Amino acid sequence: DTEVTQTPKHLVMGMTNKKSLKCEQHMGHRAMYWYKQKAKKPPELMFVYSYEKLSINESVPSRFSPECPNSSLLNLHLHALQPEDSALYLCASSQEVPGNTIYFGEGSWLTVV
Amino acid sequence: AQSVTQLGSHVSVSEGALVLLRCNYSSSVPPYLFWYVQYPNQGLQLLLKYTTGATLVKGINGFEAEFKKSETSFHLTKPSAHMSDAAEYFCAVSPLAYGSSNTGKLIFGQGTTLQVKP
Repeated sequence: DTEVTQTPKHLVMGMTNKKSLKCEQHMGHRAMYWYKQKAKKPPELMFVYSYEKLSINESVPSRFSPECPNSSLLNLHLHALQPEDSALYLCASSQEVPGNTIYFGEGSWLTVV
Repeated sequence: AQSVTQLGSHVSVSEGALVLLRCNYSSSVPPYLFWYVQYPNQGLQLLLKYTTGATLVKGINGFEAEFKKSETSFHLTKPSAHMSDAAEYFCAVSPLAYGSSNTGKLIFGQGTTLQVKP
């Protein structure tokens, strides 16, 4: 089962709201990622968790707060976002070995109004 | 530093024609190479990847790619395009070195939109 599940698929939030994106995988992967993708652009890495610890933060603004409650779950907490944060947010996972396939979820479409 | 260049942001072919999507990489050593496909309103799906060994890699849906070290290329081909192949295609490289500073750092090209005409 090579599946990464993301919820919700669509989210509309105001600039003062607090919301969360959720991601789950049951492939036993120990690395999990958040990517951001704007229309017609490639995905951009935001965060990497390795063995449930944050290992990479690509200088992401603090209004994005990741959390890894356990090895299967990854959350992205959103607070005080800006309209320019509207994008497709992709969760992904892989084994923590170079060259291993990174499996992506279907993404969560976020619109900030 | 590694980088990926996809030549042609938009490629249009007729149904049944050869598909050729170009990807060149820049790296001091041969990296791991990937092709991902993204259908409209969906996430990314792995088509194929090159790690080591055979330089001609076969993937899903009839796609294949050949790693050419001398040309630093990893072009994607399919002998006969199908309407369902219309999508965005991303070439990506991954660092060789193991370690938390490199894990997950897929470096993507800018993408190529494949249009298939009936």
